[in-house]
Amino acid sequence: AQSVTQLDSQVPVFEEAPVELRCNYSSSVSVYLFWYVQYPNQGLQLLLKYLSGSTLVKGINGFEAEFNKSQTSFHLRKPSVHISDTAEYFCAQGGNTGKLIFGQGTTLQVKP
Amino acid sequence: ETGVTQTPRHLVMGMTNKKSLKCEQHLGHNAMYWYKQSAKKPLELMFVYNFKEQTENNSVPSRFSPECPNSSHLFLHLHTLQPEDSALYLCASSPAAVSGIYNEQFFGPGTRLTVL
Repeated sequence: AQSVTQLDSQVPVFEEAPVELRCNYSSSVSVYLFWYVQYPNQGLQLLLKYLSGSTLVKGINGFEAEFNKSQTSFHLRKPSVHISDTAEYFCAQGGNTGKLIFGQGTTLQVKP
Repeated sequence: ETGVTQTPRHLVMGMTNKKSLKCEQHLGHNAMYWYKQSAKKPLELMFVYNFKEQTENNSVPSRFSPECPNSSHLFLHLHTLQPEDSALYLCASSPAAVSGIYNEQFFGPGTRLTVL
């Protein structure tokens, strides 16, 4: 069965520092990958997506992710975080089953 | 209204009450989903509707009853709930829930449910 693993449940980081949130997906014939962000008491908002083409994907709010087929990874990065980036981040994979498989989520805590 | 809307945003109910959650999407999509998000737990997919037909029920207790009268509306009828059912209930839609098809999901803001 497909699975998505987010390797860190919590990531504390100081403001203006770089951050990487790690995600590993299941190898599959067709791979669609997504990162969503959830701010407190809100639904999930799409940050970025990989469908095909360039392995470096740029999203909203200065985030980017790199698709690595050999390592089955899709890590999310930001070179300099802000307090407002404090939120829950979800990695998700689609393709085989017609629905998205979500990771467990990573809480990003940005400290002043 | 644009995107996916959910009402109510907050709901407090007793264990003997009957209530319904409503979701509406204005994106022309054909698939709709109900998720449960409990504190400190991963997102749990509850139900999937594809072209108004239920295609997935992830062993959800019968006290949760979904209804999809058309591709734009999805309801979750609640009765005889338990305190452990307290959670954020999220609705989502996508173009279609078909294997191998690009299926980005768009989420509503959720309904925060508290069962007393």
